[in-house]
Amino acid sequence: DQQVKQNSPSLSVQEGRISILNCDYTNSMFDYFLWYKKYPAEGPTFLISISSIKDKNEDGRFTVFLNKSAKHLSLHIVPSQPGDSAVYFCAAIRVSGANNLFFGTGTRLTVIP
Amino acid sequence: DAGVTQSPTHLIKTRGQQVTLRCSPKSGHDTVSWYQQALGQGPQFIFQYYEEEERQRGNFPDRFSGHQFPNYSSELNVNALLLGDSALYLCASSLEGAAISNEQFFGPGTRLTVL
Repeated sequence: DQQVKQNSPSLSVQEGRISILNCDYTNSMFDYFLWYKKYPAEGPTFLISISSIKDKNEDGRFTVFLNKSAKHLSLHIVPSQPGDSAVYFCAAIRVSGANNLFFGTGTRLTVIP
Repeated sequence: DAGVTQSPTHLIKTRGQQVTLRCSPKSGHDTVSWYQQALGQGPQFIFQYYEEEERQRGNFPDRFSGHQFPNYSSELNVNALLLGDSALYLCASSLEGAAISNEQFFGPGTRLTVL
């Protein structure tokens, strides 16, 4: 049972344009969401997070939007850079529970110079 | 400051064998979680250790077991290996009770291939 879903396996974007990565979840008990970035031969690296009490969190070029009613979140990268090319995982957690993350299947972002 | 380290980097085993993977958490972290990432999938939670005890477990059979040592390092053991156990095994560490304890730091993983 995949509780966190990333329906786009891949995304290609021109350098300088906006990248939008999407994520859906089914468990309404999730109250904290994270995005991780993964390069080949490395572990996932934390990128940005958002609590369910917010609908937006911004950190430099990265912004995460949360729509709780739709159980949907998205990661916006503006402007996209070639170094952003990686696999991006959406993850969710129930803060009141144990700290185990539920991951989506990932979206491979390619930023074309 | 060393981050999360894992050993070995790669491992090849045959069906039925047993394997032990090792993880050292980030300095100052006391909680270790293990994840299995199959090809083309996201990481799946195996279990988490805190204070040398298994605190929570995902949907994995008893063939998967673990241990946490007093220095917070951890081992993942898999018995009676199956072909389907071939995956990247990721260790993540975090600090229990920290303000943002949700943000786990991952190691580079151990690539296990079962033939």
